[in-house]
Amino acid sequence: DAGVTQSPTHLIKTRGQHVTLRCSPISGHKSVSWYQQVLGQGPQFIFQYYEKEERGRGNFPDRFSARQFPNYSSELNVNALLLGDSALYLCASSLGDSRTEAFFGQGTRLTVV
Amino acid sequence: ELKVEQNPLFLSMQEGKNYTIYCNYSTTSDRLYWYRQDPGKSLESLFVLLSNGAVKQEGRLMASLDTKARLSTLHITAAVHDLSATYFCAVDIRHTGNQFYFGTGTSLTVIP
Repeated sequence: DAGVTQSPTHLIKTRGQHVTLRCSPISGHKSVSWYQQVLGQGPQFIFQYYEKEERGRGNFPDRFSARQFPNYSSELNVNALLLGDSALYLCASSLGDSRTEAFFGQGTRLTVV
Repeated sequence: ELKVEQNPLFLSMQEGKNYTIYCNYSTTSDRLYWYRQDPGKSLESLFVLLSNGAVKQEGRLMASLDTKARLSTLHITAAVHDLSATYFCAVDIRHTGNQFYFGTGTSLTVIP
C-alpha cells in the first residue's frame, strides 16, 4: 500500500514568491495535517483538516493557508515567502482518531533565497 | 503556552549500554506519541501511549506514560548502532489524532 506522498520533494523559491505544496494521504485516512520543521528543531503544527474542514490551526501567520479536497488530498499554500520559511514541510495522515497513529510523508524541502 | 521538553538533547552511548530519554510536558494530556527521525528523512512512528500508566515495548525500546507527572520515558536497552537517530515525543492535547506538539528532540548516537 502507498504511504503518504508529498510533492515536490525539493523546491527553491525567491523571497516574495508564492508556493504550493501537495499531499496525498494513505487510502482510507480522512485527516491531513501539515507541519514545519526548521533544521535542528522539532516539527511545528500548522494546520489539520478532517473531512475537508479545518480542525485546527497552529501559530502561523495568515500567509499560510491550506485546503483539503474531496479525495482527502491536501494543499498547503504560502504567500509572500520569507527567508525564514525555509524548512522541511511534513504532511501527516491519520484516521482522525487520537487512539491511532499518524503517518508522515517524506516531506518537501523548501529553500527560500 | 504548551511546552514539551526532552532531555537530554544529545546522547552519546556505547553499544550494549542502557539509557532513558525523558519527555516532560506542561499541560494535561493522556495522548503521547514517540517518533524516530533519521537524518534527512521523515518521521517514523514508534509508540502511541493512550492512558496513565501505559507501557509499550518494541525490541530494545520501551516507552511509558505518567499523566499525573506529565512525564513520558523512552528506555533503551542494550543499545545497538542501528538505534542512532533523533527521537521526538509529541503531545496531542485536543485528541484529534493529528495536532501534535513536538518536543525538542533527542539526538542519539550509539558508538560501536
